[in-house]
Amino acid sequence: QLQLQESGPGLVKPSETLSLICTVSGGSITSSKYYWGWIRQPPGKGLEWVGNIYYSGSTYYSPSLESRLTISLDTSKNLFSLKLNSVIAADTAVYYCARRRCSGGDWCFWNFDLWGRGTLVTVSS
Amino acid sequence: AIQLTQSPSSLSASVGDRVTISCRASQDIRNDLGWYQQKPGKAPKLLIYAASTLESGVPLRFSGSRSGTDFTLTISGLQSEDFATYYCLQDYNYPQTFGQGTKVEIK
Repeated sequence: QLQLQESGPGLVKPSETLSLICTVSGGSITSSKYYWGWIRQPPGKGLEWVGNIYYSGSTYYSPSLESRLTISLDTSKNLFSLKLNSVIAADTAVYYCARRRCSGGDWCFWNFDLWGRGTLVTVSS
Repeated sequence: AIQLTQSPSSLSASVGDRVTISCRASQDIRNDLGWYQQKPGKAPKLLIYAASTLESGVPLRFSGSRSGTDFTLTISGLQSEDFATYYCLQDYNYPQTFGQGTKVEIK
């Protein structure tokens, strides 16, 4: 059974870079059937889509984060990562990594079917 | 960006009740919508995709439907383990967007 696990610092100072890794076990991230995504949730608030990456390396970012965000793949280690520059307090959130799956026959209905447990990142000096 | 307006933001219900949660898209998104359940301190869980297809392993009391740009999640016979927050998510185009969430509480 494929599993995802987030890891990274729990505390980041304002203006610095938030770096997270999502390690994928039990399956390859190079399958053409999936995207790999990041979703975040500020404390007590709703879910916010951050961005996705395809096995080819194509990336799709939230417009509100795009100027500060980089998502990349490391196929040799079967993981993908998130880097968010110049963080502010509003970037404090639980960050989830997830697998975006194509379901259906002739038409792909995409959905996030597997999620990591999430990791809390606090931006504070 | 496509906006999803989810309602109500919260509701109180009793075990055995029939519960409906709505999600309205700001434009046509065909059937590209999913429903997720989130319990406190846990990751979201996929319940329904393609507006009405039940994810494997999800109880049959959960169902989804679509009428134009209006989507509905129905729980027929609420169980104690169903008290949670529910989100819709559109997968029609980028940027992907979530509804604001509906918290289902015990009456």
